[in-house]
Amino acid sequence: DSGVTQTPKHLITATGQRVTLRCSPRSGDLSVYWYQQSLDQGLQFLIQYYNGEERAKGNILERFSAQQFPDLHSELNLSSLELGDSALYFCASSFLGGDTDTQYFGPGTRLTVL
Amino acid sequence: AQSVTQLGSHVSVSEGALVLLRCNYSSSVPPYLFWYVQYPNQGLQLLLKYTTGATLVKGINGFEAEFKKSETSFHLTKPSAHMSDAAEYFCAVRGAGSYQLTFGKGTKLSVIP
Repeated sequence: DSGVTQTPKHLITATGQRVTLRCSPRSGDLSVYWYQQSLDQGLQFLIQYYNGEERAKGNILERFSAQQFPDLHSELNLSSLELGDSALYFCASSFLGGDTDTQYFGPGTRLTVL
Repeated sequence: AQSVTQLGSHVSVSEGALVLLRCNYSSSVPPYLFWYVQYPNQGLQLLLKYTTGATLVKGINGFEAEFKKSETSFHLTKPSAHMSDAAEYFCAVRGAGSYQLTFGKGTKLSVIP
C-alpha cells in the first residue's frame, strides 16, 4: 500500500459526459501528479501540482482540468468524454516534487467510456 | 526532452533463471532513472532509482540496475527469477530540473515453473 488513495476504483460513463476523479496523497506529500495509462499510448504524464499550484503540464487535453485543494487532495475533471478517453488514470504523490523525488502511485481509477 | 525505449514487450524466463530487462534512454540533461513494477490490477511500485553516485543500484526484491552513461542504458537484472516476479516492468527517466517522469512502453515478465 503506497498510502495514495484514489476514488472511485471504476467508472463507467457515456460519451459526452463529465466525470471527476479524486486523489488523496500520502501524508506529508505536497506534490500530486496525474498520469493516463492506455494500451496505445502507454503511461503518459498529464499534470503536476505542488502545494496547490500547477507546476508542470504534459499531454493533457483541453477537455481535462485538475486542481489541488488546500488540504492537498486533488481532482482530475474530464469533460466531453470520448471513447478514446477510456484508460487507467493514476495519481502519484511525492514530498516536494523535486527531480530526484520518488513518486508513489495510487491504485488507479479505471474509466470506461461507452 | 527525454525518451525511453524498453526492448521486448514480453520476456519469458524459467524459475531460477537470470532476469534481464533492457532499458535505453535519451536525455538532453543528466538523467535520473527509475524502474517501477506493476502487478495486475495494481498501481506502480518503485523498484529502484538512480540519481547520482554509485552507478550500480540495488532495489527491492533482489533486483538491481546499472547506469551506463556511455551506452545510455539502465538495464534491470535479478540473478534468480521467482514466480512472484511475474508482472509488468516500466523504466522511466526524468531529466535534471524536470518534474515529469517519461515512461517506456513496459515489459511484461512471465516466469515459467
